[in-house]
Amino acid sequence: IAGITQAPTSQILAAGRRMTLRCTQDMRHNAMYWYRQDLGLGLRLIHYSNTAGTTGKGEVPDGYSVSRANTDDFPLTLASAVPSQTSVYFCASSPTENTEAFFGQGTRLTVV
Amino acid sequence: GQNIDQPTEMTATEGAIVQINCTYQTSGFNGLFWYQQHAGEAPTFLSYNVLDGLEEKGRFSSFLSRSKGYSYLLLKELQMKDSASYLCAVLSNDYKLSFGAGTTVTVRA
Repeated sequence: IAGITQAPTSQILAAGRRMTLRCTQDMRHNAMYWYRQDLGLGLRLIHYSNTAGTTGKGEVPDGYSVSRANTDDFPLTLASAVPSQTSVYFCASSPTENTEAFFGQGTRLTVV
Repeated sequence: GQNIDQPTEMTATEGAIVQINCTYQTSGFNGLFWYQQHAGEAPTFLSYNVLDGLEEKGRFSSFLSRSKGYSYLLLKELQMKDSASYLCAVLSNDYKLSFGAGTTVTVRA
């Protein structure tokens, strides 16, 4: 079934550890996005990529890095996790930059 | 950057109409989206406006005025299943898709 997949679904992580959240889509979408969602703050853009090989910073990029080596994959890395990075993380993709974005089911991350 | 404002909460009765307003300030504009998000689930697409005017899709309609930096989502004939958060999102000139904090709509019987 075509779609966008995130892994893991949830994770408890010790502060200071490195963690990579995975995002894969098989729809050949050019644009991909990473958001975090916190109560009362809505979805905040962390990083985005308009096409393979390019990435850009969103509203809250500090502490996170991304790569876009190919069209399908857009991993998000926390180099050294801190408790303030506890959140629900959503990956999204869209065929082009100005079409609807499809969301993965989210990763619930708790940093302790 | 973008500044996107929408009300935090709204409550309405089953069968009624609710209008959710969204105002935005953005450095360049390439379209406005509305998404629905049920608790614990991912957002799902509802509508897209890039030109001024009204877009109608069944019970849901969305309106855009670019000169006023204003949009609304109109939900008609409310059903209990419409209880959810509704997210306004703006696409900027550099193709960043930024969201407002969302409006939680509660439908009462």
